[in-house]
Amino acid sequence: GENVEQHPSTLSVQEGDSAVIKCTYSDSASNYFPWYKQELGKGPQLIIDIRSNVGEKKDQRIAVTLNKTAKHFSLHITETQPEDSAVYFCAGPAGGTSYGKLTFGQGTILTVHP
Amino acid sequence: GAGVSQTPSNKVTEKGKYVELRCDPISGHTALYWYRQSLGQGPEFLIYFQGTGAADDSGLPNDRFFAVRPEGSVSTLKIQRTERGDSAVYLCASSLMPGDEKLFFGSGTQLSVL
Repeated sequence: GENVEQHPSTLSVQEGDSAVIKCTYSDSASNYFPWYKQELGKGPQLIIDIRSNVGEKKDQRIAVTLNKTAKHFSLHITETQPEDSAVYFCAGPAGGTSYGKLTFGQGTILTVHP
Repeated sequence: GAGVSQTPSNKVTEKGKYVELRCDPISGHTALYWYRQSLGQGPEFLIYFQGTGAADDSGLPNDRFFAVRPEGSVSTLKIQRTERGDSAVYLCASSLMPGDEKLFFGSGTQLSVL
């Protein structure tokens, strides 16, 4: 099945700086890569996703890039704000499935200091 | 409803007891998932429902765990003879239709087995 590794486990930045979180995956057949944001006491919330036929996708201050050859994808947050502080998870489809059975990374705790 | 609703938000039980966790998905969503999240980890897949039937239950850890969705809407996760290792946050998610990987998560039920 799919194995997803996420780095770093913690990330601390100053407000206004950029933050980058990276994930690697093992299954070359994987074709869908979402990113979720989880705030304390809440469930994960989908913030952006990318499919394998696209190299980059952007939505306002967040972007995701995908390198299929190297089997890694990254989340980029620009102009960070204190409300961006949360745990971020990358994920990939588990076992080549085409529904919401996902393998999640271990998470990155992002702290944005005002 | 506006989002995925899970009850109770917290459940404390004693080792060996039986518990039921309830999930009310977003109205109109036909696919429903249960995930389990241990402290400091990403969510782990348990089971996937298409309508009333469990299409993939490969994530259930053993036969003490069972889930139903009798009318294709509300789902109940049932755990028999609870063990301390079952302590975790149990997350429910729904998606609009089978094959749609975009998951909408509830806030979860924090299960503590003493």
